Amino acid sequence: DIQMTQSPSSLSASVGDRVTITCRASQSIGNFLNWYQKKPGKAPKLLIYTASSLESGVPSRFSGSGSGTDFILTIRSLQPEDFAAYFCQQSYSTLYTFGQGTKVEIK
Amino acid sequence: QVQLQESGPGLVKPSQTLSLTCTVSGGSISSGGYYWTWIRQHPGKGLEWIGYIHYSGSINYSPSLKSRLSISVDTSNNQFSLRLTSVTAADTAVYYCARGDRYDGRYDYWGQGTLVTVSS
Repeated sequence: DIQMTQSPSSLSASVGDRVTITCRASQSIGNFLNWYQKKPGKAPKLLIYTASSLESGVPSRFSGSGSGTDFILTIRSLQPEDFAAYFCQQSYSTLYTFGQGTKVEIK
Repeated sequence: QVQLQESGPGLVKPSQTLSLTCTVSGGSISSGGYYWTWIRQHPGKGLEWIGYIHYSGSINYSPSLKSRLSISVDTSNNQFSLRLTSVTAADTAVYYCARGDRYDGRYDYWGQGTLVTVSS
């Protein structure tokens, strides 16, 4: 199985901050990496697919980068509605796996 | 707009079988470009990929659940289903169905999720 490791597991930030979340794969996955936002009681929401493509309707303050084993999700200017958990997911192997998540909390 | 909706019992007794159905609307489950997937989230934990089915019947299961898992598709009713046998408290989770792109693996549409509790 391909293991996905996110860091940090949680972070505190203020509105307007620039936030970066890292996801590392245990082996090269090319650009088969997707990012989701998860709020309590809601379904996950796709933000970024194939490492850097912005899903339709997602604000442009979200961006993704990376390839191979190391990937980054950046939120350019954190908004109140962005406080949530974020998960990466690899879709390179037939056994898709998620990172353990990063919780973004209000400072 | 594609919508997915999970349905099934919210409470299952230990050792029994957990059965859930996902009804797809706004699009055909027979569209060849998608894998119809089950994902779960244990309380306070991350997301766990369970498995998927293609409308053709092609399946892929998580190795950790494979011996207890069955996913099936009903194209006439635009539904797919999950069946997990011999459940324990460790199977208590919110279960989501989702549409996965066959080519890049992104999950663009999700059901709202349904909590299944395993308890006597």
